[in-house]
Formats: sequence, C-alpha cells, structure tokens
Amino acid sequence: DAKTTQPPSMDCAEGRAANLPCNHSTISGNEYVYWYRQIHSQGPQYIIHGLKNNETNEMASLIITEDRKSSTLILPHATLRDTAVYYCIVRVAGVQASGTYKYIFGTGTRLKVLA
Amino acid sequence: GAGVSQSPSNKVTEKGKDVELRCDPISGHTALYWYRQSLGQGLEFLIYFQGNSAPDKSGLPSDRFSAERTGGSVSTLTIQRTQQEDSAVYLCASSLSEGGVSPLHFGNGTRLTVT
Repeated sequence: DAKTTQPPSMDCAEGRAANLPCNHSTISGNEYVYWYRQIHSQGPQYIIHGLKNNETNEMASLIITEDRKSSTLILPHATLRDTAVYYCIVRVAGVQASGTYKYIFGTGTRLKVLA
Repeated sequence: GAGVSQSPSNKVTEKGKDVELRCDPISGHTALYWYRQSLGQGLEFLIYFQGNSAPDKSGLPSDRFSAERTGGSVSTLTIQRTQQEDSAVYLCASSLSEGGVSPLHFGNGTRLTVT
C-alpha cells in the first residue's frame, strides 16, 4: 500500500508555477521523499529527492515541511511538456530492512498544463 | 549514456502462449526491479534483484510468472500460459545500488497484449 497521498489531478497555466502537494504523515526519520513523473507511453522519470532540507535541481524544487509530514514539488515555469502523472514516494535509504526495498508507487497526480 | 533498455517494446500474443520480456539495465547498476502497469493504473511491484539474487518474489502475481538475472546484468521476465489479465505494460528499472539514495532509472517498458 502506498504511504503517500496525492490529489488525483491538477491543472496549471503554462508559464506559471505548478505546486504539487504530497502527504506522508507516517514518514520515518530515515525515509527519503522521492518524486518521479510519467509522461504518456514512457517509463517514470526521476525528478528529485530529499530528506529534510529543501532541494533544488534543474528540473524542480522540493519543499519539505519541518515536521516532514508533507512536501511540495514545484515546477517553477510549467510548460506543456510537463503534462504528466507525478508520483511522490517515500523510501528508506541505506541498509534496507526486510520488505522496505520496494518503491511503492501510488496513483499519483495527473498534472495538465494548459496553454 | 545508454539508459535502461527493454525489448520488445510491444508484444502481442495469444492466450496460453509463453512470453519472455528482456531488460538491459544501465551498466554497473546492481539493483534491478520489475513493475507492471495496467491501463490507467499505478505501478505494481513484481520483483527485485540485487545482483543475480531475488530476495523477495512475493510481488509476482502467480506461479506463471518467473524472472531471472544473469551476470548481474540482463534480466528476463517470463510469463507462462498467458491470460488476458496479463495484458499490461511491464516496466524495468535499475539503480546504482540497493543502499544509498540512488534513484531508479526506468526503461520505456514492454506493452504486452494477450488476445
């Protein structure tokens, strides 16, 4: 079962920031938050991950709340090519306890960027 | 550089036939994962390899499904006596190691249609 909760769909105007929320209220202290996206007919693509500090790379920014129970993926200037399903996943890094190596993908958020 | 390669990209087979799906991970990636994605659904974990060993096969839906990995590289997912409910996109992913924070890198999948 997925340990994250995401809204099923969102719309965003082209050129505006897309803010995708994720709740992970049962996250453990050693679990990282990962974000992937899946564009139609392709495999999921890694975007970004973080533990407790905010992270930024060339694709997106990840904001994690202080209590780590939720996070937001920010696409600063959404384009039509960002239309995809976005998955938020929590996973233990380092030595894996039994059964925790699985990346459990929920149903994600379907982001539609509108022209 | 080369990403995860899966073949064939599309496979149509008749009910009752056996199929083999191949995954070539990124060179040097020791962890390899198989997922299944039915139309409009999220990703369902099937099996994970660390090297040539599969610590947990519990994600495989039935004993008609099997997988192996040789030389710590190529993996084959075999489905025997295919059924219509096996129709899905089968995705393979690899990561640098099981430990650490290295993300998954996915192939574009094999779309299996059982008629």
